[in-house]
Amino acid sequence: EAQLVDSGGGLVQPGGSLTLSCAASGFTFSSHWMSWVRQAPGKGLEWVATIKKDAGEKYYVDSVKGRFTISRDNARNSLYLQMNSLRVEDTAVYYCARQYSGYDYWGQGTLVTVSS
Amino acid sequence: VLTQSPGTLSLSPGERATLSCRASESVSSGYVAWYQQKGGQAPRRLIFGISSRATGIPDRFSGSGSGTDFTLTISRLEPEDSGVYYCQFYGSLATFGQGTKVDLK
Repeated sequence: EAQLVDSGGGLVQPGGSLTLSCAASGFTFSSHWMSWVRQAPGKGLEWVATIKKDAGEKYYVDSVKGRFTISRDNARNSLYLQMNSLRVEDTAVYYCARQYSGYDYWGQGTLVTVSS
Repeated sequence: VLTQSPGTLSLSPGERATLSCRASESVSSGYVAWYQQKGGQAPRRLIFGISSRATGIPDRFSGSGSGTDFTLTISRLEPEDSGVYYCQFYGSLATFGQGTKVDLK
């Protein structure tokens, strides 16, 4: 059974940086596109970024372009989200998700709080 | 942009629920999915490719539509169907609708 485990969230000041990780198991990680999705407190889902299986192409929502970087290490079965210049409005639970006919497996989420 | 309606549905068990999702431009790829989310949990995929049910999803859930208008129908609501439902366009870029909350009376 496929499993995704998110980690790395925490409290950070505005302007700070944080790196999220997603550990994958139970499937061939290198064969799948992967994505990050976030959900601000009490709000809906927002797609953040997607990376193709060979990391050759990456896509971002406009609000994080130039500040966030999605990456992957297929040898370690891991997905990452490097977040720089964090803003209060980036506060959310961040989920990694496997992309296969939609997003078929999700991590449990990790909370990022941006506050002074 | 995906716009979902209504914002909230309040129905009784056994009733039929119809959730709408309208796209600002035609989704020619057919890459439309629906998700259910219950409080504090990760979303669960219900439907992909407009109308294909995901593994383990009961047949009371069905998806339909084309072009810019898509629908999730729950034929006979069960108590466990309460939650928030999101439509999604997926591909290289993705977007979610703002969600429809389904309340069971």
